[in-house]
Amino acid sequence: VQLVESGGGLIQPGGSLRLSCVVSGLTVRNSHMTWVRRAPGKGLEWVSVIYNGGTTSHADSVKGRFTVSRDNSRNTLYLEMNSLRVEDTAVYHCARATFTGMDYYFDYWGQGTLVTVSS
Amino acid sequence: SFVLTQPPSVSVAPGQTATIPCARDNIGPRSVHWYQQKPGQAPLLVLYDDSDRPSGIPERFSGSNSGNTATLTISRVEAGDEADYYCQVWDSSSAHPWVFGGGTKLTVL
Repeated sequence: VQLVESGGGLIQPGGSLRLSCVVSGLTVRNSHMTWVRRAPGKGLEWVSVIYNGGTTSHADSVKGRFTVSRDNSRNTLYLEMNSLRVEDTAVYHCARATFTGMDYYFDYWGQGTLVTVSS
Repeated sequence: SFVLTQPPSVSVAPGQTATIPCARDNIGPRSVHWYQQKPGQAPLLVLYDDSDRPSGIPERFSGSNSGNTATLTISRVEAGDEADYYCQVWDSSSAHPWVFGGGTKLTVL
């Protein structure tokens, strides 16, 4: 299984970016796929999820600004990020969430892509 | 949503045992999962469901969960275990269901 993110970079506050996560070895449409970020000097923070059925959810900190989606034909996960803020600066990882029957954990992760929001 | 509290750092000599606690609000029993992250690398799942090890994780990694505290224990610590460790739970009743602890930096002296 491989998850490879891309699309990060330096962007001014208020700008937009689209992150991609190309997945191999598992099928995104059958999986619960998420984005998790780590800001400099901080810990891990869940950002967004798209469940296998297509339902999406986002953390309050990004709701209304970020949108998660997928392209089943490309087996790729996306994160559309608008109205970016300085506090969105982080390494963004895509990860698969596995359901145990009671809860979820993340069993496969990508290396991440760095997003820097700065003027 | 609730909070998971981890100590910012733990230090241990090679060959000794490291214990990393994860304290949570009294919100009832929850399974706890643990991740290891080394600089510049993806997080790695080291324990799930409190104490189960994914394939490839050494038996030196073990876990427990009792009362309000889950604990990751690393026996016979090696230099390669130096990393940040995060606990995580899932709260089905929350709009922010995936919760991580703040992370613990394990330093091997």
